[in-house]
Amino acid sequence: GENVGLHLPTLSVQEGDNSIINCAYSNSASDYFIWYKQESGKGPQFIIDIRSNMDKRQGQRVTVLLNKTVKHLSLQIAATQPGDSAVYFCAENIGGYQKVTFGTGTKLQVIP
Amino acid sequence: DTAVSQTPKYLVTQMGNDKSIKCEQNLGHDTMYWYKQDSKKFLKIMFSYNNKELIINETVPNRFSPKSPDKAHLNLHINSLELGDSAVYFCASSPGQGNRELFFGEGSRLTVL
Repeated sequence: GENVGLHLPTLSVQEGDNSIINCAYSNSASDYFIWYKQESGKGPQFIIDIRSNMDKRQGQRVTVLLNKTVKHLSLQIAATQPGDSAVYFCAENIGGYQKVTFGTGTKLQVIP
Repeated sequence: DTAVSQTPKYLVTQMGNDKSIKCEQNLGHDTMYWYKQDSKKFLKIMFSYNNKELIINETVPNRFSPKSPDKAHLNLHINSLELGDSAVYFCASSPGQGNRELFFGEGSRLTVL
């Protein structure tokens, strides 16, 4: 079936370095992609989104890149901080439909 | 004010019992969801309601019965609990009308013994 998957289940980075979390999706009909951050014991929180008519979107310290040719999504976090330690999920959605499908998650560990 | 609130936060029960988890959102959103997160952190959608009407039912066993008395509430009742039902259940809401950002509750951890 359709799914959204991540290449790396765990990523360890040094504080201050940049982090890149990758995601592969398989549903070519998806037109909206979202990154969520889930801290321990909490619900996922929206970080940044991107629509399929864009290939890059920037937020505060975060950038999402979308490559529709290879169905790849990435989240870049600049100057990673200890507070960035969490599980990160990519998610996809098809326009007009309520269902948001989540990928398997990547745990980001920031080493002080 | 908590935007999406779920109760209880923890629930420990025996196999075969029936239990409910309640969810309320004060964001004025039209759409609400239940997601199940397993021990490997995989988040899977279970149900979606839009303005009290069921929109999505992801082949969830009929032991699970959602109920939406109004668009601000979506409760989840589970009959005849099984060991495999142990998970964290997340309620979420979204504005709808083209805005698909999900706002999640803190989760309800269900442990079936």
